[in-house]
Amino acid sequence: GAGVSQSPSNKVTEKGKDVELRCDPISGHTALYWYRQSLGQGLEFLIYFQGNSAPDKSGLPSDRFSAERTGGSVSTLTIQRTQQEDSAVYLCASSLPGANTEAFFGQGTRLTVV
Amino acid sequence: GESVGLHLPTLSVQEGDNSIINCAYSNSASDYFIWYKQESGKGPQFIIDIRSNMDKRQGQRVTVLLNKTVKHLSLQIAATQPGDSAVYFCAENRNYKLSFGAGTTVTVRA
Repeated sequence: GAGVSQSPSNKVTEKGKDVELRCDPISGHTALYWYRQSLGQGLEFLIYFQGNSAPDKSGLPSDRFSAERTGGSVSTLTIQRTQQEDSAVYLCASSLPGANTEAFFGQGTRLTVV
Repeated sequence: GESVGLHLPTLSVQEGDNSIINCAYSNSASDYFIWYKQESGKGPQFIIDIRSNMDKRQGQRVTVLLNKTVKHLSLQIAATQPGDSAVYFCAENRNYKLSFGAGTTVTVRA
């Protein structure tokens, strides 16, 4: 596609349920990032993929969070046993390989845990 | 902890005036910086970037200045327009990870 696509755009879930968030990066972008943005806050790094491997998952807040990427393309962020503090906008970005390259962001998934 | 930070959380500017948004970073090894603009309900949008071997870079109506001596960068927006109202983030790209500051909310007064 023309840009980074994330789905769903909005998700309301009950506390304790699992959720899956999807990111479809720009074609050819081997680097993929997940960030979390709480209301009125900056972007908190979660995980970075280069191809299908995740050399940096240091930002995942707990073992309830996991992410995978298959075929060097689509990535899924899974949150198990969701808690209210997980409520935030989850942003995905992709970029070409290399340290100094522009990252393009999707529109985000707004997750609300009730 | 964060390696980048913005000086002011909010900035109100008169339409037509120039805006200056500041950002400080702490890691002297940082070699690439990006400014992003985020409008309500949207993802961050790239504005301009600068590498550490430069001290100034200009785009359309925007200029980024980098002062490595004091580890400071700024974004200047010329002739600010209502469409410039947004949250602006500086980001440091090091080791393939973008680290963001908290953001400055720019409000343009008519």
